[in-house]
Amino acid sequence: EAQVTQNPRYLITVTGKKLTVTCSQNMNHEYMSWYRQDPGLGLRQIYYSMNVEVTDKGDVPEGYKVSRKEKRNFPLILESPSPNQTSLYFCASSGGGAGGKLFFGSGTQLSVL
Amino acid sequence: GQNIDQPTEMTATEGAIVQINCTYQTSGFNGLFWYQQHAGEAPTFLSYNVLDGLEEKGRFSSFLSRSKGYSYLLLKELQMKDSASYLCAVRDKGTYKYIFGTGTRLKVLA
Repeated sequence: EAQVTQNPRYLITVTGKKLTVTCSQNMNHEYMSWYRQDPGLGLRQIYYSMNVEVTDKGDVPEGYKVSRKEKRNFPLILESPSPNQTSLYFCASSGGGAGGKLFFGSGTQLSVL
Repeated sequence: GQNIDQPTEMTATEGAIVQINCTYQTSGFNGLFWYQQHAGEAPTFLSYNVLDGLEEKGRFSSFLSRSKGYSYLLLKELQMKDSASYLCAVRDKGTYKYIFGTGTRLKVLA
């Protein structure tokens, strides 16, 4: 089944403790991206990647890192999480079909205490 | 600047037709997308427009006017399961960044 797999689904952590949210897609998509969703603000793009070893900042990259060493994986790294990074995170991928429609993972609800 | 506007909430009756509007301002345009998002779930793709005009897909249609920076999503024969948020998004030409509106929460009443 074609899908984007994100883990974990829920995560509670404390300020300053490094964490990684994993994202993997099995559709051989070149484009992958990360978003955070906050009430009243909608989905905001954090980082995106056009292909392996090619990454670019979205609208809200501060406090986040990404890497794209393999085509299928695009992890999101928070080196030193802070409470303002408490949010719902989505990973998405696109293969160019239908103009580049995005396939989303099921989301990660992160709480930073 | 880049900005997308859509109404925050709409209410409609089962069986009716509803139109959700979206206006946008972007530095470059490479397509407009509509996604549906049920509470607690991920967004799912509904439609895509890159040229002016109407795209119809079953009960859902989407319209685009690039000169006016305007799109709408039309939902016909509303069903209870259509209660969800509808997200308008524009892809920026050149950067391939996606800019999303804040979403329109649609409530369908029996």
